[in-house]
Amino acid sequence: AQTVTQSQPEMSVQEAETVTLSCTYDTSENNYYLFWYKQPPSRQMILVIRQEAYKQQNATENRFSVNFQKAAKSFSLKISDSQLGDTAMYFCAFIGAGSYQLTFGKGTKLSVIP
Amino acid sequence: DAGVIQSPRHEVTEMGQEVTLRCKPISGHDYLFWYRQTMMRGLELLIYFNNNVPIDDSGMPEDRFSAKMPNASFSTLKIQPSEPRDSAVYFCASTLGFVGELFFGEGSRLTVL
Repeated sequence: AQTVTQSQPEMSVQEAETVTLSCTYDTSENNYYLFWYKQPPSRQMILVIRQEAYKQQNATENRFSVNFQKAAKSFSLKISDSQLGDTAMYFCAFIGAGSYQLTFGKGTKLSVIP
Repeated sequence: DAGVIQSPRHEVTEMGQEVTLRCKPISGHDYLFWYRQTMMRGLELLIYFNNNVPIDDSGMPEDRFSAKMPNASFSTLKIQPSEPRDSAVYFCASTLGFVGELFFGEGSRLTVL
């Protein structure tokens, strides 16, 4: 069974600064996908970024980028130029290729301080 | 598109009562998922449907929980009888084809007294 671990329950960052959220996972599969989801106080979860395991290049979406280290089974999220609207819970998630079940980490609560 | 629509947004009920949560997925999506979120257990997959057919309900905690999807635009999650430990936020999510990229509703916060 896959597991996803987010070791930082809470983090804070000053507005306009950069912050990195950590995620590690455990799997025996070679083909899989990783995601970061954001859950703001409004509760609705929103996909932030996705990474295919077969791609060596790290995914980037505007101010959001990942550091994917397949051998280390690490998948961190970097948020640059943090904005107040980035305040949210962030969940790392894993899914094996051909699977239908996302495995979520417990989340990291990020607070952006003005 | 309006996104995934869930109702009610908040529900407070007493132990033993029946609770029905509703979900309207995004039009055209062929997968629908029900998740439960609690502080202790995080996000748990309860059940998912493909083309209105339940595929995997192994996450449904007990026989008190049931889910239906009578058509492509509507699903329900029912708890009967409800218990205080069922208190949680219940999310519905849908997607087309690739199940990793889910579109979530705003959730239904259930409190059972």
